[in-house]
Amino acid sequence: QVQLVESGGTLVKPGGSLRLSCVASGFTFSDYYMNWIRQAPGKGLEWISYISTSIDYTNYPDSVKGRFTITRDNAKNSLYLQMNSLRAEDTAVYYCARSVMPGITIFGVPREFDSWGQGTLVTVSS
Amino acid sequence: IVLTQSPGTLSLSPGEKATLSCRASQSVSSNYLAWYQQKPGQAPRLLIYGASSRATGIPDRFTGSGSGTDFTLTISRLEPEDFAVYYCQQYGSSPCSFGQGTNLEIK
Repeated sequence: QVQLVESGGTLVKPGGSLRLSCVASGFTFSDYYMNWIRQAPGKGLEWISYISTSIDYTNYPDSVKGRFTITRDNAKNSLYLQMNSLRAEDTAVYYCARSVMPGITIFGVPREFDSWGQGTLVTVSS
Repeated sequence: IVLTQSPGTLSLSPGEKATLSCRASQSVSSNYLAWYQQKPGQAPRLLIYGASSRATGIPDRFTGSGSGTDFTLTISRLEPEDFAVYYCQQYGSSPCSFGQGTNLEIK
């Protein structure tokens, strides 16, 4: 069955950096667009990045653009999120999620998310 | 696109019918609207996509409807496991966005 397992979340100081990982199994990872979505404590969901199958296209909302970088290693079935210049408002549970094929809509927006990991908590505090 | 869900909290009993609303600040292209269920301590689960199509394994008591700016998730007869937070999400315009959620609680 499809499984996504995130890791790397921890306590980090404001201005610091962190790299999250997500290991996929149970499906052909290289066939799917992948995403990171976060949820601040007690709050709603926020999509924060996606990456295409062949790693040639990524996208971010303004809230993290220039600070976060999504990458993937299809040989290792792994997705990553490099987070720099972290702020208190980045505190959240970070989920990796798979987009339904073909990955993006005709408008270039990631398709709905049909599989999610269990999440990893990032806390930004001094 | 800003999605506004109502009500914020819905208190019902098992066996009753639940109607959850999601209103978009502008028309959702191609009805690219999804619904997710989230239970405490768990990741969200996809219920509905394309406004009205059920995801794999979702019981037929869950029905999505609507178009343009107004969408509805209906749960015909609530089961104990249906009490959770529900989010709508649009993926017709970039960036995709989620509503703030409706908390469906046991009365």
